[in-house]
Amino acid sequence: QVQLKETGPDLVQLTQTLSITCTVSGFSLTTYNVHWVRQPPGKGLEWMGAMWNGGGTDYNSAFKSRLSISRDTSKSQVFLKMNSLQTDDTAKYFCARHWGPRGFDYWGQGVMVTVSS
Amino acid sequence: DIQMTQSPSVLSASVGDRVTLNCKASQNINKYLNWYQQKLGEAPKLLIYNTNNLQTGIPSRFSGSGSGTDYTLTISSLQPEDVATYFCFQHNSWPLTFGSGTKLEIK
Repeated sequence: QVQLKETGPDLVQLTQTLSITCTVSGFSLTTYNVHWVRQPPGKGLEWMGAMWNGGGTDYNSAFKSRLSISRDTSKSQVFLKMNSLQTDDTAKYFCARHWGPRGFDYWGQGVMVTVSS
Repeated sequence: DIQMTQSPSVLSASVGDRVTLNCKASQNINKYLNWYQQKLGEAPKLLIYNTNNLQTGIPSRFSGSGSGTDYTLTISSLQPEDVATYFCFQHNSWPLTFGSGTKLEIK
């Protein structure tokens, strides 16, 4: 069955770089797109960026200068890297499968990241 | 960016009630509107895609409608397991955007 699982640190220091891995199963990264979405505590969801099935990427301009998304198709993994972290980057980070006609149809459980000074 | 405004922010209803949640886009989103259910501590779950299409495995008490800028999620008979926050989401224009959510409680 379709599964996505995020792994990453619980805590990141202010101004440092966040790295999160999304490992997928039950589908191919060359067929489906995977996006990143985050949710600050008690707040709504924010789309961050996309890894397209063809290997291209798109980013929300709110993050563009410090966000990078990449993948390793042989390992079925998509990577998020974001630098210059601030306290308002504290959030739960989700990866989600994006199927063009339906938007996001499957999500990972998310990883809660706290940015600490 | 398209702003998605949900109302009400909190809704309290009784088991068996028909409940309606609203979502308004700041511009026409051509029915590219999804609804997600998020229970505490869990990942969002797709309920409805493209305004009125029920995702596989979702109970038929959930339905969606709307067009243009105004969309609605209806639960025909509220069940205890429906306690959750419900988000609308537009995938018509970039950047993709979500509503701020309606928290649904049982009276």
